[in-house]
Amino acid sequence: DTAVSQTPKYLVTQMGNDKSIKCEQNLGHDTMYWYKQDSKKFLKIMFSYNNKELIINETVPNRFSPKSPDKAHLNLHINSLELGDSAVYFCASSQVQRPGADTQYFGPGTRLTVL
Amino acid sequence: AQKVTQAQTEISVVEKEDVTLDCVYETRDTTYYLFWYKQPPSGELVFLIRRNSFDEQNEISGRYSWNFQKSTSSFNFTITASQVVDSAVYFCALGLNDYKLSFGAGTTVTVRA
Repeated sequence: DTAVSQTPKYLVTQMGNDKSIKCEQNLGHDTMYWYKQDSKKFLKIMFSYNNKELIINETVPNRFSPKSPDKAHLNLHINSLELGDSAVYFCASSQVQRPGADTQYFGPGTRLTVL
Repeated sequence: AQKVTQAQTEISVVEKEDVTLDCVYETRDTTYYLFWYKQPPSGELVFLIRRNSFDEQNEISGRYSWNFQKSTSSFNFTITASQVVDSAVYFCALGLNDYKLSFGAGTTVTVRA
């Protein structure tokens, strides 16, 4: 069984469109994250939710909006897509009892290409 | 601000050679956690190890070993007798008393047959 899953795996779309990426974890974890990996492989946190509450919101454009319907799901909606949004987006989860201490487990990634 | 530096961008070795990946971190916190992740060509991020700042004991897992030295703020990773399947990007990361992981830029390891 997949621990952290993301859909879709690949997403190709035109500039200006709105798209969503879905993430689900079956590990029973309390905290979920979105990371962006750019073309140089650099990984940066975007958002984090703990028990459906937003706890991290890095300097990300307002066009990006996370939504957590329950603690097993964290979706990422992107409005008005721009060329610079092309990247690989990773979802992750952890059982946070001590922030920073707990291992984050990552999904397979969603490669977003904006044309 | 916390920072993780992986000075080696790329390392290329021949199979069976040992390879050591350097990781240097910066933090003023006394409690912190260090991680290594592997990203093979297929793209997923695979957790390898977690270490807390109070445990400087080195760790070995099969052909993988880790050397944590607080005195030099380093958490280096060695692959012994490398294999082609070890070819990947390896990331070192730092966790503090928040919910974020700060990643290094990654080191690409290529193992040639």
